[in-house]
Amino acid sequence: ETGVTQTPRHLVMGMTNKKSLKCEQHLGHNAMYWYKQSAKKPLELMFVYSLEERVENNSVPSRFSPECPNSSHLFLHLHTLQPEDSALYLCASSQGRFSNQPQHFGDGTRLSIL
Amino acid sequence: AQTVTQSQPEMSVQEAETVTLSCTYDTSENNYYLFWYKQPPSRQMILVIRQEAYKQQNATENRFSVNFQKAAKSFSLKISDSQLGDTAMYFCAFTEIIQGAQKLVFGQGTRLTINP
Repeated sequence: ETGVTQTPRHLVMGMTNKKSLKCEQHLGHNAMYWYKQSAKKPLELMFVYSLEERVENNSVPSRFSPECPNSSHLFLHLHTLQPEDSALYLCASSQGRFSNQPQHFGDGTRLSIL
Repeated sequence: AQTVTQSQPEMSVQEAETVTLSCTYDTSENNYYLFWYKQPPSRQMILVIRQEAYKQQNATENRFSVNFQKAAKSFSLKISDSQLGDTAMYFCAFTEIIQGAQKLVFGQGTRLTINP
């Protein structure tokens, strides 16, 4: 049990589809994150939520839309994606105020855009 | 902007050997934290070890230890008595605090293979 659960594990979608990625954490953390992991590139931070408020939007295209309804749940809504958006999307959580506390990651959603 | 560089894309050693993974970073901050994460084929990112910049003593966790050289902005990971289960991607990461949340900056990763 990782403490951070992501669904679905795999997702294949066309460029015109709309889908959502879900992340849930059971650790009592107050900050949540979305990362994109592409082949041969470092992990890229996409969004940061602290106490359910978005504090970072790392120049992410508007076709990615995050939602954090409460401190335990984080969504990433996807629409009209491009082939270059195919990647592993990782969710993480942390006790945000304390920078020595590590982020805990989920297993990721492997996204493939047809 | 903070950057993290891992200069070894791949490494391979025999089981029970010692291996060192290198990491350098660039920051103007004086107080920060550094982490090594491991990502096995199962995809989950797992914390290996962490180091606080204001502590001169190198962190150690069982077979894992770091060589933290603050002036040189170097943060290498040493794995002693390597095991087959250590096979994974290893990522060095630097953290800063933004508006009450961490911002982790990752290196490109080193793919480590432990051979039997």
